[in-house]
Amino acid sequence: AQKITQTQPGMFVQEKEAVTLDCTYDTSDPSYGLFWYKQPSSGEMIFLIYQGSYDQQNATEGRYSLNFQKARKSANLVISASQLGDSAMYFCAMREKGGGSNYKLTFGKGTLLTVNP
Amino acid sequence: EAGVTQFPSHSVIEKGQTVTLRCDPISGHDNLYWYRRVMGKEIKFLLHFVKESKQDESGMPNNRFLAERTGGTYSTLKVQPAELEDSGVYFCASSLHASGSYNEQFFGPGTRLTVL
Repeated sequence: AQKITQTQPGMFVQEKEAVTLDCTYDTSDPSYGLFWYKQPSSGEMIFLIYQGSYDQQNATEGRYSLNFQKARKSANLVISASQLGDSAMYFCAMREKGGGSNYKLTFGKGTLLTVNP
Repeated sequence: EAGVTQFPSHSVIEKGQTVTLRCDPISGHDNLYWYRRVMGKEIKFLLHFVKESKQDESGMPNNRFLAERTGGTYSTLKVQPAELEDSGVYFCASSLHASGSYNEQFFGPGTRLTVL
């Protein structure tokens, strides 16, 4: 079973509008972390935002916010006031505190966001 | 401060050849990770170093892949002999901490490997 599911292969949004990128996860570990990364066409992976499983409030970083619904196991990324430069691939990832020292990230397949002028 | 760097940015080789990818983590980061994205699929974990020790290599696909991190600084990932299915983008990431509630992994730009 997939641990991270991103159901939107592609999304379109008009410049200056808000957009929500979906991410659901599956884990039995009570301690985990959720990350969103942005990958523009240049290829680098840019960290956007982090949410810990025990964090009481939703994470926010500038125009990025994470809509964390723990009971539903969802961690959707909300981008407000979209800009042309937001066009990129977006990956949701989960870090689980597994056995030993395993702190790898598990990624979803990504969502390709296109911002239209 | 320099970020994670990877070399080369692109590599095109023929099936059966050997390729070595290099990753320089952010200075002071003891944790170094290798990931790979094969076309159309998820980014998959390959292995995790803490300093020079392999902490977790459960994601290494087979024994044609060899990762090293001599001296706990830069790391190399060698593929020998390369097969067609090894084509993809190989990412390296580093982090200051591995434990705790937050361990942001900083990614390099990746090496795009094409095996013909």
